[in-house]
Amino acid sequence: GENVEQHPSTLSVQEGDSAVIKCTYSDSASNYFPWYKQELGKRPQLIIDIRSNVGEKKDQRIAVTLNKTAKHFSLHITETQPEDSAVYFCAASKGDFKTIFGAGTRLFVKA
Amino acid sequence: SAVISQKPSRDICQRGTSLTIQCQVDSQVTMMFWYRQQPGQSLTLIATANQGSEATYESGFVIDKFPISRPNLTFSTLTVSNMSPEDSSIYLCSVSGGTGELFFGEGSRLTVL
Repeated sequence: GENVEQHPSTLSVQEGDSAVIKCTYSDSASNYFPWYKQELGKRPQLIIDIRSNVGEKKDQRIAVTLNKTAKHFSLHITETQPEDSAVYFCAASKGDFKTIFGAGTRLFVKA
Repeated sequence: SAVISQKPSRDICQRGTSLTIQCQVDSQVTMMFWYRQQPGQSLTLIATANQGSEATYESGFVIDKFPISRPNLTFSTLTVSNMSPEDSSIYLCSVSGGTGELFFGEGSRLTVL
């Protein structure tokens, strides 16, 4: 089955700096790669996603890149703010919508 | 988007008992997913619940321990049977938005003493 690895497990940045989280997946049939943000005590919420026919997608300060050949995808957050502090999960799925999550990255943005 | 209600939001249970978690969606959905999130950990898929058929369980999860019902297209239940402290976790119900993204319930925090 699918396996998603995520690094780093913890990331601490200064406000205004950029943050990068990287993931790899094992199943070449996966075609949908979402990123979820989970604030303390809250449910996970989708922040951005990318499909296998696209190499890069951007939404304001957040961007995601996908390298299908290497089975890598990454989340980039620019101009980080304290409210970006949360746990971020990458995930992968195929057409059956069954979604497998990475281990998560705890991001701390220091003011 | 979908609005998902889960109950109970939290419960404290005794070892050896069972608890049923309910999940109600505000629209009809084909597939519902049950996840477990242990403290400080990621989301692990327990099973996929389709209406009118038996749930499909992931490796490491069995029907006797986590029976699931899916009586219609807006409702599902997950039962955690014969609980032990290792079952202490947050259990999350989720549905797909149709293009792959998942919407989650607020979760049911279970503590087993």
